[in-house]
Amino acid sequence: GAVVSQHPSRVICKSGTSVKIECRSLDFQATTMFWYRQFPKQSLMLMATSNEGSKATYEQGVEKDKFLINHASLTLSTLTVTSAHPEDSSFYICSARVQGGFYEQYFGPGTRLTVT
Amino acid sequence: AQTVTQSQPEMSVQEAETVTLSCTYDTSESDYYLFWYKQPPSRQMILVIRQEAYKQQNATENRFSVNFQKAAKSFSLKISDSQLGDAAMYFCAYGSNYKLTFGKGTLLTVNP
Repeated sequence: GAVVSQHPSRVICKSGTSVKIECRSLDFQATTMFWYRQFPKQSLMLMATSNEGSKATYEQGVEKDKFLINHASLTLSTLTVTSAHPEDSSFYICSARVQGGFYEQYFGPGTRLTVT
Repeated sequence: AQTVTQSQPEMSVQEAETVTLSCTYDTSESDYYLFWYKQPPSRQMILVIRQEAYKQQNATENRFSVNFQKAAKSFSLKISDSQLGDAAMYFCAYGSNYKLTFGKGTLLTVNP
């Protein structure tokens, strides 16, 4: 149980275009979903927290107009990187917390974004 | 802000031996959670073990156990009978208000 999927697993886009990454909780309802960014050989940095039906809360230093997050249902959250630039290239990971469940987060397998 | 420090960037252990990974954290809160996550080369984050700060008893999960010292703000992970499949990056994480703050990780190598 507690499986989280992400799509796509890899994406390459041209500079200036937008790309959408989906995060789904497959076998549970997620009250809250989180988006992280991980640079090579570094730790996970929380970008934003999203609750179903409400606006995402962004961490300090994260551009909310560049990283658009939509949490449309209890099983789906999307991250859209708008007007992507090469410096946005990174590994993006989502996680979800079980509705009414314990504290821990279940992670998706991640999406590698390369902006050329 | 909370910080999590993992002072060992890399560790190695012989198969079947025991290894301990260190983690310290800084917080002014009294109610929080601590976690160890494993990230193998696939990069899938896997929960290894969790500890509630209000519990004095150290958590254990099969070959994995923690040494939680609340006053010292220390949360180390002991892996017993190490297996080749334990090779991964291990992240210590602090949880509060449903957010996680991660340490920089310790890369564990298991030698056959």
